Amino acid sequence: GNSVTQMEGPVTLSEEAFLTINCTYTATGYPSLFWYVQYPGEGLQLLLKATKADDKGSNKGFEATYRKETTSFHLEKGSVQVSDSAVYFCALSRMDSNYQLIWGAGTKLIIKP
Amino acid sequence: DADVTQTPRNRITKTGKRIMLECSQTKGHDRMYWYRQDPGLGLRLIYYSFDVKDINKGEISDGYSVSRQAQAKFSLSLESAIPNQTALYFCATSDFQGEQYFGPGTRLTVT
Repeated sequence: GNSVTQMEGPVTLSEEAFLTINCTYTATGYPSLFWYVQYPGEGLQLLLKATKADDKGSNKGFEATYRKETTSFHLEKGSVQVSDSAVYFCALSRMDSNYQLIWGAGTKLIIKP
Repeated sequence: DADVTQTPRNRITKTGKRIMLECSQTKGHDRMYWYRQDPGLGLRLIYYSFDVKDINKGEISDGYSVSRQAQAKFSLSLESAIPNQTALYFCATSDFQGEQYFGPGTRLTVT
């Protein structure tokens, strides 16, 4: 079946460090892939998405590339800020599942000044 | 105004009480969802609805029920609350392509 695996957290970095949060998926065909972010005390909001292989989603300095060959959608940012501290969720959707989202467990990111 | 609103934002209730959480949306989406979030367990789907006449169970529907009163309104009920239903509850909406929009959440504590 369809599934999403994220690296376990928390991930703790210093400000201006490079960030990678790994996400791999299991799905047949070509799912759409998403990264959502949840800031403290808030609901989830879409950070970026990619709908086909080799697409790169980007937003707020974050990027993720849809890699079909490695079934991955790793989230990266070149220089993190304290304000990036949040929980990040990777998810996929597929047409044959009526586009419901399959969620990863989430990765908590802590950025220290 | 927020696209997806949830009421109440916080609720403390006692074991055995019936409680209803409400969700309203102004995005005009047909699809609505209720999720539960527990620390370290990510999001788990309780119920979902693809239109007013369509209600489906998610992975953890036991102990919960829902009502889709209109396209814009989707409520979640706990018929007899128990302590292990203490969690953060989120409502979400989506169009048919899957991108979901979330409400701010309801923090429920069952004592």
